[in-house]
Amino acid sequence: AQSVAQPEDQVNVAEGNPLTVKCTYSVSGNPYLFWYVQYPNRGLQFLLKYITGDNLVKGSYGFEAEFNKSQTSFHLKKPSALVSDSALYFCAVRDIPGGGANNLFFGTGTRLTVIP
Amino acid sequence: DTGVSQDPRHKITKRGQNVTFRCDPISEHNRLYWYRQTLGQGPEFLTYFQNEAQLEKSRLLSDRFSAERPKGSFSTLEIQRTEQGDSAMYLCASSLIGTKSSYEQYFGPGTRLTVT
Repeated sequence: AQSVAQPEDQVNVAEGNPLTVKCTYSVSGNPYLFWYVQYPNRGLQFLLKYITGDNLVKGSYGFEAEFNKSQTSFHLKKPSALVSDSALYFCAVRDIPGGGANNLFFGTGTRLTVIP
Repeated sequence: DTGVSQDPRHKITKRGQNVTFRCDPISEHNRLYWYRQTLGQGPEFLTYFQNEAQLEKSRLLSDRFSAERPKGSFSTLEIQRTEQGDSAMYLCASSLIGTKSSYEQYFGPGTRLTVT
């Protein structure tokens, strides 16, 4: 069965500092991995995905994520945090076709607060 | 605006009443998904359609829930005999399978249901 863990409910970081939001996953096959961001009163917005290829994936708004197969992790990173990055971040995973469902399994979310 | 839209944005109903939500996906997208999100949790998959065919339903989708996508465009989600436990945000997402953006799901703003 697929699952995603976001071990930190809350991450606080000073503006201008690098940020990391952690995600680990468990799937039966090869994973498709995603990061979404949710701002108040708005829907989930797609940030980036890993399907195959380079382990470092670049996405929207300067975010990137590193796929680590041995550690089954897909941590979200940004070199320099902005106050406007404050939001709720969700990691999600999907099994590839033939091994599971076509839907996304989401973590419980990590609230990022960037302190001015 | 060519994003996913949902109507209504908020719905308050009394226990036992029926409610229906509508989702209009991005126009060329052939897959449409419904998720439910409760406070402090990530979205949980309910069901999805490819064109007009409902291809998968979660065990979360009890007999009181029904979803349709009659012409392969908009979709409706109906909850019959609502219960207080149905109170949640109902999210709709769409995707276009068969392109390099496959598996990226784009979410609407959600319909917040409160059952009193």
